[in-house]
Amino acid sequence: QQQVKQSPQSLIVQKGGISIINCAYENTAFDYFPWYQQFPGKGPALLIAIRPDVSEKKEGRFTISFNKSAKQFSLHIMDSQPGDSATYFCAASSVVTLRAGSYQLTFGKGTKLSVIP
Amino acid sequence: SQTIHQWPATLVQPVGSPLSLECTVEGTSNPNLYWYRQAAGRGLQLLFYSVGIGQISSEVPQNLSASRPQDRQFILSSKKLLLSDSGFYLCAWSRTGGNTIYFGEGSWLTVV
Repeated sequence: QQQVKQSPQSLIVQKGGISIINCAYENTAFDYFPWYQQFPGKGPALLIAIRPDVSEKKEGRFTISFNKSAKQFSLHIMDSQPGDSATYFCAASSVVTLRAGSYQLTFGKGTKLSVIP
Repeated sequence: SQTIHQWPATLVQPVGSPLSLECTVEGTSNPNLYWYRQAAGRGLQLLFYSVGIGQISSEVPQNLSASRPQDRQFILSSKKLLLSDSGFYLCAWSRTGGNTIYFGEGSWLTVV
């Protein structure tokens, strides 16, 4: 129930195209859904995040779409650029019981995006 | 602003040798601290998290251990490394009550 399933594992997109990465979860206690971007040899960096009371959030070329009833969310990268080539992780957050207010992220397995010129 | 430092960035250790990776966070107090491992081409595995000094929770039983001797210092250790310990280790932090986790730059460990 703690899993977050991410697809596809890898994605090749032409420059200027739309990249779409999908994630699904089962645990209805998840209340925060971030996406992380990781370049080779670097730590993941927060890209964009959404809460379940919102169906869509857009920041520049990056959009999260959230479907609460289907327990699915996706990342759309519009006008994909070679500089977007990276591994993308979706995640879901739930409160752990060790101490109130402590959150723990469950990550998807990642999608390696390659944007070709 | 808050920053997270992690070192060493890269190390090659023989099987059976000890390990110590260190992480410090600046610009905040009483953060939640985390150690993750990322095997080559794979996802992020949570190893340990801490909500305060001396408070460590382990997510995966293994020959690794973690300690938090100071509020903003988190250490990952092993007494005897195994080949399977090779990977990319990431320290991370979050604010108390915050659900955004911020990662350090990572440490590449190769056990030979």
